[in-house]
Amino acid sequence: NAGVTQTPKFQVLKTGQSMTLQCAQDMNHNSMYWYRQDPGMGLRLIYYSASEGTTDKGEVPNGYNVSRLNKREFSLRLESAAPSQTSVYFCASSEILQPQHFGDGTRLSIL
Amino acid sequence: DAKTTQPNSMESNEEEPVHLPCNHSTISGTDYIHWYRQLPSQGPEYVIHGLTSNVNNRMASLAIAEDRKSSTLILHRATLRDAAVYYCILRDASVWFGNEKLTFGTGTRLTIIP
Repeated sequence: NAGVTQTPKFQVLKTGQSMTLQCAQDMNHNSMYWYRQDPGMGLRLIYYSASEGTTDKGEVPNGYNVSRLNKREFSLRLESAAPSQTSVYFCASSEILQPQHFGDGTRLSIL
Repeated sequence: DAKTTQPNSMESNEEEPVHLPCNHSTISGTDYIHWYRQLPSQGPEYVIHGLTSNVNNRMASLAIAEDRKSSTLILHRATLRDAAVYYCILRDASVWFGNEKLTFGTGTRLTIIP
């Protein structure tokens, strides 16, 4: 069972570079989420998508954009990476009122 | 969002029960109590949730106080694999479709002593 798959697992960027984090789920869930986790802290919501074609801001959306490409895929884009965006990024999916299923994360370092 | 308070860390001996407390004194009537855990270098995983009554599943038990202002996650027989950060989260069941965001605190880091 693949569940939620995130790519890449690790990435190092230079300040100002752009990149897209990919997330795909195979559970036919309507809702998908992007979180970030900084060292020693809990997860914070960046963006979420209640269904295909809709996206909404979470707690910390600045510096990010998202695309819900289809029901399976939800990508997170950093247009101009900054050192403050060094973090571990987690994607999750769920059905209404059901537990969220998380991927194993993308570890992103920005120099 | 209603907040939860958990101890920063706890230790327990292997093969003994573990009781992880959570205070949520401002809980509303529509808040479910969810527990997730995060093993090292992994994403969070769902453990259990409940509304008013105590709940059991294959992973753990959830004991909810009668006034719902606190709850306790019970691992009946801890193993080394249970070493993780445990998060107690309130999830509002009255929100509209798709707006089911989880608000994570810093959780309780559980160490299992062999």
